[in-house]
Amino acid sequence: GAVVSQHPSRVICKSGTSVKIECRSLDFQATTMFWYRQFPKQSLMLMATSNEGSKATYEQGVEKDKFLINHASLTLSTLTVTSAHPEDSSFYICSADTSGGGGTGELFFGEGSRLTVL
Amino acid sequence: EDKVVQSPLSLVVHEGDTVTLNCSYEVTNFRSLLWYKQEKKAPTFLFMLTSSGIEKKSGRLSSILDKKELFSILNITATQTGDSAIYLCAVYSGTYKYIFGTGTRLKVLA
Repeated sequence: GAVVSQHPSRVICKSGTSVKIECRSLDFQATTMFWYRQFPKQSLMLMATSNEGSKATYEQGVEKDKFLINHASLTLSTLTVTSAHPEDSSFYICSADTSGGGGTGELFFGEGSRLTVL
Repeated sequence: EDKVVQSPLSLVVHEGDTVTLNCSYEVTNFRSLLWYKQEKKAPTFLFMLTSSGIEKKSGRLSSILDKKELFSILNITATQTGDSAIYLCAVYSGTYKYIFGTGTRLKVLA
């Protein structure tokens, strides 16, 4: 299957700092990527849909200014958690759609990034 | 509103048991149903189902879709401790829209 790489896998930061997480599609071009947040023992919560060359679409309740998403190329989307606080500590996962928006859909996930804010 | 419901939410079995995980859905537009396994990191792809009645199989795992009754099941036979994971079901409804269920947490005891 397609390969999606996410980096860093773990990050610890101090409260008030910003953290950037990268999501790369290694062997295909992804016009659309997704960012999820996952709390312990829970399912994936979609935060936003990242579209190459345009603004991300955020889900209801997700702060745009807090979680900045940039999808500047067909192989890279970034999520920046700005002015991080302990409540932002979580597991963040990206995924990329390889179907081009049509067909039967194909979604592949990055390895996830565990953010701990002290 | 589109939704995907998985049951049970959690399950504890012993090695060698057979388990059946359920995924039901109500969506405006159905293109496919996908199953994923999530261990400690990100989900890994198991199956994609698009047609009713056609079983997909991979080793001890198999899955089938019923588009009339709007559900899918994932079967795992002769379970092993390595099968312990969260199993996620998602429905793709086109135009980059994927709806995920709550997941089923499976624990297999030695």
